Amino acid sequence: GAVVSQHPSWVICKSGTSVKIECRSLDFQATTMFWYRQFPKQSLMLMATSNEGSKATYEQGVEKDKFLINHASLTLSTLTVTSAHPEDSSFYICSTRSGTSGRLSSTDTQYFGPGTRLTVL
Amino acid sequence: QQQVKQSPQSLIVQKGGISIINCAYENTAFDYFPWYQQFPGKGPALLIAIRPDVSEKKEGRFTISFNKSAKQFSLHIMDSQPGDSATYFCAASMLTSGSRLTFGEGTQLTVNP
Repeated sequence: GAVVSQHPSWVICKSGTSVKIECRSLDFQATTMFWYRQFPKQSLMLMATSNEGSKATYEQGVEKDKFLINHASLTLSTLTVTSAHPEDSSFYICSTRSGTSGRLSSTDTQYFGPGTRLTVL
Repeated sequence: QQQVKQSPQSLIVQKGGISIINCAYENTAFDYFPWYQQFPGKGPALLIAIRPDVSEKKEGRFTISFNKSAKQFSLHIMDSQPGDSATYFCAASMLTSGSRLTFGEGTQLTVNP
């Protein structure tokens, strides 16, 4: 399967500051990446779909001005949590779709990064 | 409906036993059903996946059973081991929605030695 890394693995910040989380696809070029949020003992909730070279698509209820996503290259997507508040504290996980082209395939699957634990004080 | 319902919420099995986790879905357009395993503080790892054109898929100790007419699928872990203790998520996606995954609620599996 694909190898996905995230940086940092954990971060603690003060309320009101911004935090950037990086997601890298290490062994293939990912045209599409996904960002999820997971609260303790809960399931993964899709926040947005990140497409290389274009604007991200956000799920209903996710503030696009608060969670800025940039997918500037085929191996890197970033999520910036702006003006973070304690309720933004969560486990943020990215994933990449295994398809290497912009065309979707029924054989595509998602491989997840190790996650980033964000704690906002 | 985009939901995927998963049960049980938690499961305790003795070493060597069979662990069974069930999922049900509503949207017949779903065409891909993966299972993920997640350890605390880690990202989910793909365990096994199935497509609706087959009724069963086996990889080692892990088997997915798929019932298209009932819109249900399940994960069977044979000869469960303490190292299998983790949270398991079923998921579903459809090609026409960009392969976005819809996850079940998760099952916390504990395998006692």
